[in-house]
Formats: sequence, structure tokens, C-alpha cells
Amino acid sequence: EIVLTQSPGTLSLSPGERITLSCRASQSVSNSYLAWYQQKPGQAPRLLIYSASYRATGIPDRFSGSGSGTDFTLTISSLEPEDFAVYYCQQYGRSPWTFGQGTKVEIK
Amino acid sequence: QVQLVQSGAEVKRPGSSVNVSCKISGGTFTSHTMSWVRQAPGQGLEWMGRISPIIGIKHYAQKFQGRVTITADKSTSTAYMELTSLTSDDTAVYYCARSGFSSGYMDVWGTGTTVIVSS
Repeated sequence: EIVLTQSPGTLSLSPGERITLSCRASQSVSNSYLAWYQQKPGQAPRLLIYSASYRATGIPDRFSGSGSGTDFTLTISSLEPEDFAVYYCQQYGRSPWTFGQGTKVEIK
Repeated sequence: QVQLVQSGAEVKRPGSSVNVSCKISGGTFTSHTMSWVRQAPGQGLEWMGRISPIIGIKHYAQKFQGRVTITADKSTSTAYMELTSLTSDDTAVYYCARSGFSSGYMDVWGTGTTVIVSS
């Protein structure tokens, strides 16, 4: 199975900062079938990005995704207070679908 | 607006089974794939398996092979996940999630069902 490794594990930042989260795959993700999710405490995950770079419906344009092959990134151009959460990447290019272990973005 | 409404919380004994349901409302069912994802307390997301109701094809994560069964009732637009031989390690929130028939990103998530396994 494809193992996804996210880094860093935790980021401590202030509102307004720009951040880049990394997701590295153990094998190439076919067709860039990689998604990003945001999860807040007590809530279900919310889809942000699919196919590496396409924003899901209703997602603000401060969120952007890029990458291909084994290296993918999620960028938030300017952190809003509501963006402090845990972010997961997920590959769906090969079964079994797998998730990264998550990156927590916390308020500094 | 599409919603996935899951069954209520469960408390189970070790060695028993649990059956969680997920009903879709406000949208289609058969033209999508339904997955089950779980999250142990304080841990990350773990994909368990999926079903494509229109053709009945299922895929399971190897970790759960032999213990999990995912089914779908097209007449009621409801998906089910049964997990057997429960241990304390199965204590988690279980989510259903919808994705496209030929894609795997999950755009609609269920409300979550807490399953606690305790003697």
C-alpha cells in the first residue's frame, strides 16, 4: 500500500501567516489522485482539494494545492482564525486508499 | 443539500460485533461510492473499505479483511458497515463518506458514529 508521510507534525503560527504543508508518498500517486482535508475537533473531515490542485466547492481561494508523483503540498496564503485545525492528505490512485498521519496547525 | 446520517453511538463487549448504518438524503446513492473511515481517540483517519452500490463491487483494507463487511441497500439509500470480533482497539468514531463512482476523494461525510468497546 502507498504510505503517506506528512510534515511537519505540528505548526505553531499566527493569523495572517502563509503556510505550506507537505505530503510525501512512498510510491508515485497515479494521475495525481491526491486530496486534502481539514478537520476540526468534534467534526467530520471537510474536503479542501482534490486531484492535487482543484479546490472543492465553497473552499476559499487562500487554499491551494500542488504537486505530482510523490511530493504534494497544501498552501494557505494567509491564515484565518478558522483555519487552525488538523490537515490530512489522502491518495486514491491505488487501492487501498490511504491517509497521511496529519499536520496540526495551532495558534502561536 | 446532500447529507449522510449515521446511526447512534454503540457500546459493545469485546468479541462482539457492531453494525453501523449510513443513510443518504438529498442526493443520489447508486451513482457514487460509499467508504467507511474510522478515527481512534486522538489519532488520524483510517480508511476501512468501500462499496459501489450500482455494481456491488467492494474493496477492503487488508487490515480489516475477514472482519469487516460493507453492504448497501439501494431501495433505502443506506450503506452498512459490520465489524466483528471487536477489541478495545476498535474503539473509534466511524464515518461514512461519499465519493464519485470513478474517483476517490470524499466530498460528503457522515455525522460519525462513536463505537466504544469495553468489558
